[in-house]
Amino acid sequence: KAGVTQTPRYLIKTRGQQVTLSCSPISGHRSVSWYQQTPGQGLQFLFEYFSETQRNKGNFPGRFSGRQFSNSRSEMNVSTLELGDSALYLCASSFMSGNTEAFFGQGTRLTVV
Amino acid sequence: GQQVMQIPQYQHVQEGEDFTTYCNSSTTLSNIQWYKQRPGGHPVFLIQLVKSGEVKKQKRLTFQFGEAKKNSSLHITATQTTDVGTYFCAGPNSGGGADGLTFGKGTHLIIQP
Repeated sequence: KAGVTQTPRYLIKTRGQQVTLSCSPISGHRSVSWYQQTPGQGLQFLFEYFSETQRNKGNFPGRFSGRQFSNSRSEMNVSTLELGDSALYLCASSFMSGNTEAFFGQGTRLTVV
Repeated sequence: GQQVMQIPQYQHVQEGEDFTTYCNSSTTLSNIQWYKQRPGGHPVFLIQLVKSGEVKKQKRLTFQFGEAKKNSSLHITATQTTDVGTYFCAGPNSGGGADGLTFGKGTHLIIQP
């Protein structure tokens, strides 16, 4: 079965711009989580969606937001980009978030210049 | 908030030597998961431990979950070059929903042939 698909794979944006990243989970998975990965901070939880509802949110500013559609696809948006937002953004889908294995996508590498 | 700490951060071994990484949580976990990320890749699920004192083996890999369900370890016997990568432990986020995962910062395994 198809894995988790994230688009785009690479993105270069300028400070102050906004960006939208997309994630298509594995068919049948209704939970989608987003993580930010940086060399200094490691993998940090951004938020989790299940059946179009955000159930949990990590310690990130309000510039980071997301949503989930009825087909379980999810998007995350970062507004007013800062240099420190440069990171690998990973999406993970699972049957039951936190209690079953998470399947990660290849990630979107965002560079803010 | 919940913290998951992992040591060591880096481990250099000669091929054929053993390797161990340790994980400690600030809170009791309902389960702990282990992931491996190859250089340039995305995290891939290895295993989930649920029971207190549980030990599971996958070929040369041995995983343990502590009696208090706050610590865990991964031991690799006779490392091979294919074992290179970063090993992460992760526990469900604390709070009512336990949605999403809190990751340790990972242990980078570097193998010298």
